[in-house]
Amino acid sequence: KQEVTQIPAALSVPEGENLVLNCSFTDSAIYNLQWFRQDPGKGLTSLLLIQSSQREQTSGRLNASLDKSSGRSTLYIAASQPGDSATYLCAVRRKTGGFKTIFGAGTRLFVKA
Amino acid sequence: DVKVTQSSRYLVKRTGEKVFLECVQDMDHENMFWYRQDPGLGLRLIYFSYDVKMKEKGDIPEGYSVSREKKERFSLILESASTNQTSMYLCASTVDPAGNTIYFGEGSWLTVV
Repeated sequence: KQEVTQIPAALSVPEGENLVLNCSFTDSAIYNLQWFRQDPGKGLTSLLLIQSSQREQTSGRLNASLDKSSGRSTLYIAASQPGDSATYLCAVRRKTGGFKTIFGAGTRLFVKA
Repeated sequence: DVKVTQSSRYLVKRTGEKVFLECVQDMDHENMFWYRQDPGLGLRLIYFSYDVKMKEKGDIPEGYSVSREKKERFSLILESASTNQTSMYLCASTVDPAGNTIYFGEGSWLTVV
């Protein structure tokens, strides 16, 4: 059974700091891994999608890496800003058991001005 | 940009009422999903549909049904609402479950009293 774990559950950093959010998954048979952002009371916004054959994806100040063999992904946020404050979720699309996507519980990030 | 629209953002319903949650996407996606999100439990898949009139049960289908009469519209139905169905409901869609980004709506907050 695929499980997705995100550590830490919450993180508070001063503005300008570079930070790393971690995501681990138990089954390496995945199609892709996706990182989302969720603002309070809102839906999920896709940030980055990494296919299983890829090692990383970048968008602006965000960089996501994927190490399928070790079951890990990281989301790197450079020069954090108060506007980055949100919950970040990772999700894996598994190859077995149909089209299901398994979500982590998320890391709640607070960037202090 | 892909848009997934959930017509009702906030609803308050009484126990026993029939509740309809509507979701429309504008990018001709084959695959649509309904999730519920609860604190401490993360996102859980209720139902998904990979084509018009096709549906598959997710992890927690009990107490729910769905309807997909048109490709762009996926409805979640609570036949007889109960207080334990108070939650945030999220609709999502994607072109291809294996390789593509999942897009989410803004969410529907349902309170059953």
